[in-house]
Amino acid sequence: EIVLTQSPGTLSLSPGERATLSCRASQSVSRNYLAWFQQKPGQAPRLLIYGASSRATGVPDRFSGSGSGTDFTLTISRLEPEDFAVYYCQQYGNSPPHTFGGGTKVEIK
Amino acid sequence: QLQLQESGPGLVKPSETLSLTCTVSGGSISSSSYYWGWIRQPPGKGLEWIGSIYYSGNTYYNPSLKSRVTISVDTSKNQFSLKLSSVTAADTAVFYCARREFGSTWLPFDYWGQGILVTVSS
Repeated sequence: EIVLTQSPGTLSLSPGERATLSCRASQSVSRNYLAWFQQKPGQAPRLLIYGASSRATGVPDRFSGSGSGTDFTLTISRLEPEDFAVYYCQQYGNSPPHTFGGGTKVEIK
Repeated sequence: QLQLQESGPGLVKPSETLSLTCTVSGGSISSSSYYWGWIRQPPGKGLEWIGSIYYSGNTYYNPSLKSRVTISVDTSKNQFSLKLSSVTAADTAVFYCARREFGSTWLPFDYWGQGILVTVSS
């Protein structure tokens, strides 16, 4: 089983600042099948990034994903008020279980 | 627009079987391009993938839950279902159903239901 470790646990930033979230895998993620989700309170997760760096439909270009192998990053270039939420990474390669990271909360400073 | 809707009891007694159904509208569950899955989230905690099913009935499960989980599909009703047996308080969670696409490449879950809270308590 691939274990995903997200850091930091909480990120305190102001609107307009840049957010950098990390997701580290215990072993290489096959074909970079790494996704990022955003979750707001009381809502289902929303897919932001798939294939480590491809934006899902309708996702603003201030969200970008990068990385390969075991180290992945989600960057929000300039935080908007609606971006304060919890972010999860997930590896979804063809070898289950398709594990999620523990999440990073981006909160308003 | 594709929509997924979870339904089932919100309260289950310890040692009993949790049963949930996901109804798909705005698209066919029998499409050859998609798998359908269940994910859960204990209150205040992270996400856990439970398992997935293809319209043909092919399934794969999280090994940590495999002995207690059954996912099935009913193409005539455009639904798929989850059964989790021998539940304990640790199984209390919001349960989500979701869809993922595959073809020459795999994609993650892109459409999700709103989620249903299931509490295990006597």
